[in-house]
Amino acid sequence: DAGVIQSPRHEVTEMGQEVTLRCKPISGHDYLFWYRQTMMRGLELLIYFNNNVPIDDSGMPEDRFSAKMPNASFSTLKIQPSEPRDSAVYFCASSWVMGQGLSYTFGSGTRLTVV
Amino acid sequence: SQQGEEDPQALSIQEGENATMNCSYKTSINNLQWYRQNSGRGLVHLILIRSNEREKHSGRLRVTLDTSKKSSSLLITASRAADTASYFCATDPMDSSYKLIFGSGTRLLVRP
Repeated sequence: DAGVIQSPRHEVTEMGQEVTLRCKPISGHDYLFWYRQTMMRGLELLIYFNNNVPIDDSGMPEDRFSAKMPNASFSTLKIQPSEPRDSAVYFCASSWVMGQGLSYTFGSGTRLTVV
Repeated sequence: SQQGEEDPQALSIQEGENATMNCSYKTSINNLQWYRQNSGRGLVHLILIRSNEREKHSGRLRVTLDTSKKSSSLLITASRAADTASYFCATDPMDSSYKLIFGSGTRLLVRP
């Protein structure tokens, strides 16, 4: 398996533009998580899905952020309109529940810069 | 909100020395996990210790868990320059939420 695949690896966009981040989880994993990492706030859970259904989106900063998982092999995180404070590294992770609990596999992340 | 807080925030040691990182958390857990993050990369799972375990080994890694103190430690023995990375603890809370809560991380620098 190629692991969790995120695209693009880097994104530079102007304030006000729409940004879409993409994630392909590991086949067979039924949980998908979106995290944001910044120096100031560390790793923040934004939203997670189970069997393509959003379970907890309490970490989504505001209405400008939205996430979808139309099928088991694809998820998107969209920011519209983007703002400079959205600059961060966004990680997608997938997992399945084992006997001893969850263990995540992370993608390599998308480094977003909003200018 | 971060459940785990790590100590120290940064650690610099000489190659061959041991590195110890500590993690404290707040709520009851199913398990605690440690992850490594190399610069510019995603996090990689290292080891998982269940709430009913006290110590676990994996290669040069040794993890301890004290649920009464709500703390864990990660020991890396005979460190190598390649161990230079940030290390995060993550807790699986006993609230059936199936979401890990990550700590703030310890940045480890191993000098050759």
